[in-house]
Amino acid sequence: KNEVEQSPQNLTAQEGEFITINCSYSVGISALHWLQQHPGGGIVSLFMLSSGKKKHGRLIATINIQEKHSSLHITASHPRDSAVYICAVNRVQFYFGTGTSLTVIP
Amino acid sequence: GAVVSQHPSRVICKSGTSVKIECRSLDFQATTMFWYRQFPKQSLMLMATSNEGSKATYEQGVEKDKFLINHASLTLSTLTVTSAHPEDSSFYICSARGDRGRGSEKLFFGSGTQLSVL
Repeated sequence: KNEVEQSPQNLTAQEGEFITINCSYSVGISALHWLQQHPGGGIVSLFMLSSGKKKHGRLIATINIQEKHSSLHITASHPRDSAVYICAVNRVQFYFGTGTSLTVIP
Repeated sequence: GAVVSQHPSRVICKSGTSVKIECRSLDFQATTMFWYRQFPKQSLMLMATSNEGSKATYEQGVEKDKFLINHASLTLSTLTVTSAHPEDSSFYICSARGDRGRGSEKLFFGSGTQLSVL
């Protein structure tokens, strides 16, 4: 059983579409992270959340602590958004989702 | 699914000593491993990327002589914090990317090591 579940596992979208990636977790946390891994392998931390909502450019992340759920939204998606998106949570120990592979087609 | 084992999960050491953290891919060959660091209440920071059999590539601002990375086999990478100081106290995490076909584009993560330097 995974402490962090992401859905969908794979996602293909047309350029311009609104995209949502979901993350559910089963452990108590102090923070939730959304990470982006590009095909080259490098990882970028997109957001760190402990409550509410954060926005950065076309990316929006929300978290509902009571429901133990977070969503990552991408508005006006672009081919350069193609990457693997990983949800991770931590209190002391980290737990990671297995990632959502996003492909945005021009 | 793929498993990455990282240990120790917690280590406390005296200032000036060296600490080695191991990261093992248990059921796949990890051609590339990444090492991250997290300061309290901050997000993950990539420290370095290592490819099996070659020297690690360090991110800007990370001292390569301070944080020695060895990736001598396809299943093991080690991070050695040399002459540790209290400011090195942090949470260190590894991740591995393998050649498992369809899943090879994804990263698999260790559970992290909490280092406390006294």
